[in-house]
Amino acid sequence: IAGITQAPTSQILAAGRRMTLRCTQDMRHNAMYWYRQDLGLGLRLIHYSNTAGTTGKGEVPDGYSVSRANTDDFPLTLASAVPSQTSVYFCASSDGTGDPKQQFFGPGTRLTVL
Amino acid sequence: GQNIDQPTEMTATEGAIVQINCTYQTSGFNGLFWYQQHAGEAPTFLSYNVLDGLEEKGRFSSFLSRSKGYSYLLLKELQMKDSASYLCAVVDSNYQLIWGAGTKLIIKP
Repeated sequence: IAGITQAPTSQILAAGRRMTLRCTQDMRHNAMYWYRQDLGLGLRLIHYSNTAGTTGKGEVPDGYSVSRANTDDFPLTLASAVPSQTSVYFCASSDGTGDPKQQFFGPGTRLTVL
Repeated sequence: GQNIDQPTEMTATEGAIVQINCTYQTSGFNGLFWYQQHAGEAPTFLSYNVLDGLEEKGRFSSFLSRSKGYSYLLLKELQMKDSASYLCAVVDSNYQLIWGAGTKLIIKP
């Protein structure tokens, strides 16, 4: 089934630990995004990638890094987790840039940092 | 700054009509999306407007006025399954989506 998968579904993490959230899409979309969603706030863009090999910073990039080695995968890494990074993380993709296209979302990863 | 405003919560009755408003102030405008998000799930696409006017799609319609920085989502013949959050998102001058906090819609029988 075509779509976006994320792993893990949920995770409890000790502060200071390193964590990578995985995201894979099989729709051959060029653009991919990482958002965090917190209660009472809109989705906030962390990092994005317009095409394989390129990445860019979003609204809230501090404490996070990404890579885009190929079209399908877009992992998000927290180098040293802090409690303020407790959130639901969504990965999304779209099939082009420059012309607004709908974004397709993965099921999300619920992360708790203690 | 960039700002998207939506009501936090609305309540409506099954079978009725509800209008969810969204006002925006953004750096540039390249379209507006509406997404639906059920509790604990991912957002899913509902509509996209880039020109002024009404776009109808089944029970759901979306309206845009660029001069007023205003959009609304109209849901007709409400069903219990329409209980969800509705997210408004504007495409800014950099073609990034700026998201509102969402409107939680509660449907009562």
